[in-house]
Amino acid sequence: QVTLRESGPALVKPTQTLTLTCSFSGFSLSTSGMSVNWIRQPPGKALEWLARIDWDNDKYYSTSLRTRLTISKDTSKNQVVLTMTNMDPVDTATYYCARLHYDINSANRWLDPWGQGSLVTVSS
Amino acid sequence: DIQVTQSPSSLSASVGDRVTITCRASPSIKNYLNWYQQKPGEAPKLLIYAASNLQSGVPSRFSGSGFGTDFTLTISSLQSEDFATYYCQQTSSAPMTFGGGTKVEIK
Repeated sequence: QVTLRESGPALVKPTQTLTLTCSFSGFSLSTSGMSVNWIRQPPGKALEWLARIDWDNDKYYSTSLRTRLTISKDTSKNQVVLTMTNMDPVDTATYYCARLHYDINSANRWLDPWGQGSLVTVSS
Repeated sequence: DIQVTQSPSSLSASVGDRVTITCRASPSIKNYLNWYQQKPGEAPKLLIYAASNLQSGVPSRFSGSGFGTDFTLTISSLQSEDFATYYCQQTSSAPMTFGGGTKVEIK
């Protein structure tokens, strides 16, 4: 059974750097085709895709946020870490991590499962 | 970036109604389109992958169709547990953008 869980601070101050950890089980990020993604959702708003890291350490970022985001993995610990610099109140959101399933036959990808989410509030 | 436009942003329907939600991508994304359901306070849940494939455990009243730029999620007979917000997402290329969501409310 694949599970993911986000952890990190519930409250950060403006201009600080946010560090979130996604701890997962049931798969290994050293396995070909595996990938973990981060997605966020401000209160009452839509989902926003943030970043992705693949088994081979390829990394992809949101165009609008790429200068502030860094994604990394620790395969031995089954963890993926997302850092976001220069936090602002508009970054208040629930942050989710999810596994990106890759179908080698069709090259299709989909997010499943998702973690429960971690609410981060940015306020002084 | 690939743009994904979802409509309507909200709709009101009754139990038993047939509901259709659309998603338009630009440029073409073949069938690299997924649908998710999100209930209040919960994480999104995968419903349909690769445009038309029903995720295991999802009721057969849900179906997806489309290819290229135009996609549809259909609920054939709306049930009380289907009142939620639905999102499409393209996975043709990164960044893997989401649609703006469709909130399905009780009429």
